[in-house]
Amino acid sequence: EAQLLESGGGLIQPGGSLRLSCAASGFVFSSRAMAWVRQAPGKGLKWIAGINGSGHSTYYAESVKGRFSISRDNSKNTVSLEINNLRAEDTALYYCAKVALAGVTDGAFDIWGQGTKVVVSS
Amino acid sequence: SYVLTQTPSVSVAPEETARITCEGNKIEDKMIHWYQQKPGQAPVLVVHDNNVRPSGIPERFSGVNSGNTATLIIKKVEAGDEADYYCQVWDFTVDSWFFGEGTTLTVL
Repeated sequence: EAQLLESGGGLIQPGGSLRLSCAASGFVFSSRAMAWVRQAPGKGLKWIAGINGSGHSTYYAESVKGRFSISRDNSKNTVSLEINNLRAEDTALYYCAKVALAGVTDGAFDIWGQGTKVVVSS
Repeated sequence: SYVLTQTPSVSVAPEETARITCEGNKIEDKMIHWYQQKPGQAPVLVVHDNNVRPSGIPERFSGVNSGNTATLIIKKVEAGDEADYYCQVWDFTVDSWFFGEGTTLTVL
């Protein structure tokens, strides 16, 4: 059974940095693009970053370009999201998600983790 | 930026059919995916590639995509279908995914 488990969230002061991780299991990790999606309290889903199976191609929402960095380690079946210069508006539940089809980047997200909570506050 | 517009809320009686719409410019040219999210839970994919149901999703869920509007159709609605529903597309012109703002389905 495919599973994703996020970690790394917490309470961070504005201006700080954070690295979120997502551990994958139950599928051939290197064949699947992965994505991060966040959800601010009481708000909708917002895609923020994606990475293809090899890790050579990355994609970002316009609103986070320059502050967010997605990467993956296929030897450890993990995908990470580094967030710099954290702002109050980055407060959200951050989900890791798996693209359904092998070898493509633009498919649906068929597996989601339970999310890791990030709170940015002084 | 590709904008997807969803009606904030839809209410239907049990056993009726719910139609949740997602509007976007020439959305019929894109593959649309739909997610269900219940309170306190992660989203679940209910329809992908316009009208394909993942394994385990009831046949009551289906989708259509035409013109500027995609629609998630839920037949014979049950109390357990109460949730937020989100549409999603990939825009190849900017290599980005976009979600709609979500629709809250209430079963009366």
